[in-house]
Amino acid sequence: AQKITQTQPGMFVQEKEAVTLDCTYDTSDQSYGLFWYKQPSSGEMIFLIYQGSYDEQNATEGRYSLNFQKARKSTNLVISASQLGDSAMYFCAMRVRGSSASKIIFGSGTRLSIRP
Amino acid sequence: GAGVSQSPSNKVTEKGKDVELRCDPISGHTALYWYRQSLGQGLEFLIYFQGNSAPDKSGLPSDRFSAERTGGSVSTLTIQRTQQEDSAVYLCASSLGFGPLAKNIQYFGAGTRLSVL
Repeated sequence: AQKITQTQPGMFVQEKEAVTLDCTYDTSDQSYGLFWYKQPSSGEMIFLIYQGSYDEQNATEGRYSLNFQKARKSTNLVISASQLGDSAMYFCAMRVRGSSASKIIFGSGTRLSIRP
Repeated sequence: GAGVSQSPSNKVTEKGKDVELRCDPISGHTALYWYRQSLGQGLEFLIYFQGNSAPDKSGLPSDRFSAERTGGSVSTLTIQRTQQEDSAVYLCASSLGFGPLAKNIQYFGAGTRLSVL
């Protein structure tokens, strides 16, 4: 069965520090996509970054990067130089094989709080 | 429109009443998804549309829940005889629906917060 696990329910980080949010996944499929979303207190889900299972390079988008370790089935999100506006819930998600438009499975999320 | 639009943003209803939640996806997106998020929880998949058909209804929690999509665009999620446990935020997302995985990022609306009294 496919599963996403986020083991950190909450984290506190000092502003300007880097932070790593953990995510592990379980799938027997070879082709899958991994996503991270940010959900601020306003409620909207904001797409941050994507990693494909066959991508050889770790994905980066501005201050966001992924530490993708395929053999360990982990895709940790690294936020560099954290800002107060980074305080939010962060969800890791996975799309598995089948239709390219198939559903994605979400983890339970990590609540990140940035201290000034 | 520029993004996924959901209405209403908030809905308060009495137990036993029916409610309809609306989602207007990003123009050109053929895939549409409904999720439910209870307070402090992750997202629970409900149903997915490709065009007007729903290949995956596996997440609908009971037969009180139904959804339709017309014209390959707007979708309506209907909850009949609402119960208090239906209280949650209902999120809609859309994606291109074709092409490689990297192109099928799901973009979300702001959600409808449903409160059943």
